[in-house]
Amino acid sequence: KNEVEQSPQNLTAQEGEFITINCSYSVGISALHWLQQHPGGGIVSLFMLSSGKKKHGRLIATINIQEKHSSLHITASHPRDSAVYICAVGKQVRDDKIIFGKGTRLHILP
Amino acid sequence: KAGVTQTPRYLIKTRGQQVTLSCSPISGHRSVSWYQQTPGQGLQFLFEYFSETQRNKGNFPGRFSGRQFSNSRSEMNVSTLELGDSALYLCASSLAILQGTYNEQFFGPGTRLTVL
Repeated sequence: KNEVEQSPQNLTAQEGEFITINCSYSVGISALHWLQQHPGGGIVSLFMLSSGKKKHGRLIATINIQEKHSSLHITASHPRDSAVYICAVGKQVRDDKIIFGKGTRLHILP
Repeated sequence: KAGVTQTPRYLIKTRGQQVTLSCSPISGHRSVSWYQQTPGQGLQFLFEYFSETQRNKGNFPGRFSGRQFSNSRSEMNVSTLELGDSALYLCASSLAILQGTYNEQFFGPGTRLTVL
């Protein structure tokens, strides 16, 4: 079993819909990171969080440390949100290796 | 501040050859990490350099190596290339002052390596 699991793997939605992407992990973490990767490969950091909730524009990220679960929400989705969203965790051990989820491919239809 | 830059952006090599990829971190960032991304395995950690020393290493064979220079620029080398080495290689920089503390990483655009 992977230490970081994302769901769904693929998601297609209509423009304007509320989107939720989930990330569950099985290790102790120091922080969790949501990344966005557009076609072509470049990765952009969206959020880094270790507790609670963060909001940036139409994006909201939450984390529940006790349940080892995080969600990324997109409100009023737009075709330009189409990308792969990747959850990554920094393990709570001496080293700070990052473990990545497999990503969620989001496609927003106009 | 300029972002993380990687060169070259695209590279085609044949099996058995070696390749060197370069990464220039954000000014002031002393940590550079390297990642391999393939369709099958997703993103995987290769290694991290901090102040010219390899601080962490992922589970890759010894054909994958790297180094960091005094200006924090880093290079990654893959020797005796195999078809399976075809991937997007990403580097990321961070302040990473304290080891064991997760630090926000800033990614470069990647180098797409194709091995024929």
